[in-house]
Amino acid sequence: DSGVTQTPKHLITATGQRVTLRCSPRSGDLSVYWYQQSLDQGLQFLIQYYNGEERAKGNILERFSAQQFPDLHSELNLSSLELGDSALYFCASSPRTGGGTDTQYFGPGTRLTVL
Amino acid sequence: KNQVEQSPQSLIILEGKNCTLQCNYTVSPFSNLRWYKQDTGRGPVSLTIMTFSENTKSNGRYTATLDADTKQSSLHITASQLSDSASYICVVSAWAGSYQLTFGKGTKLSVIP
Repeated sequence: DSGVTQTPKHLITATGQRVTLRCSPRSGDLSVYWYQQSLDQGLQFLIQYYNGEERAKGNILERFSAQQFPDLHSELNLSSLELGDSALYFCASSPRTGGGTDTQYFGPGTRLTVL
Repeated sequence: KNQVEQSPQSLIILEGKNCTLQCNYTVSPFSNLRWYKQDTGRGPVSLTIMTFSENTKSNGRYTATLDADTKQSSLHITASQLSDSASYICVVSAWAGSYQLTFGKGTKLSVIP
């Protein structure tokens, strides 16, 4: 158990809909990262927040947005969902800004299925 | 464009044998290189992190090497166990105002009895 929690574990929805994925980082960690992993694909970095502020941006679509709240939990919002958005979405947290030897601890993931 | 290439894509070995996984990268400016183990359907778990000045780092039966000149890294697994069956992912970090991570597609290792 990494100490990172994600809810829900599974989500099934229809095309065009909007969903929100939630992540609680490990106690004391200031950075939260979001990743997408499609079937048989590698991990794709989406976005990082550090202490409430956006820190780094990866391959995040304009239909997707995220935020980190004052209590450091984070939400990833996915809108106008398409079939291709079906994937495992992972959240990770790290103690600091993510550089150097700052280890990322991954949550168990949310499996999103878009029908 | 930053890229990380891993080889082989998949590997099957007998329990108890050793194996080596490769990672080649073209990431600049290099900050650090990480190896993760990911069991099917689970989140990745960090095995090692190496910065520019480190050549070797071990974590139990896992030993990672880094050659920053040739931009290559390897992960050596000694005396493999059935529980080593997983995907192993190489991740290279670059600093460009903020840290940018580039992920390899992973090597899927199957250890059979």
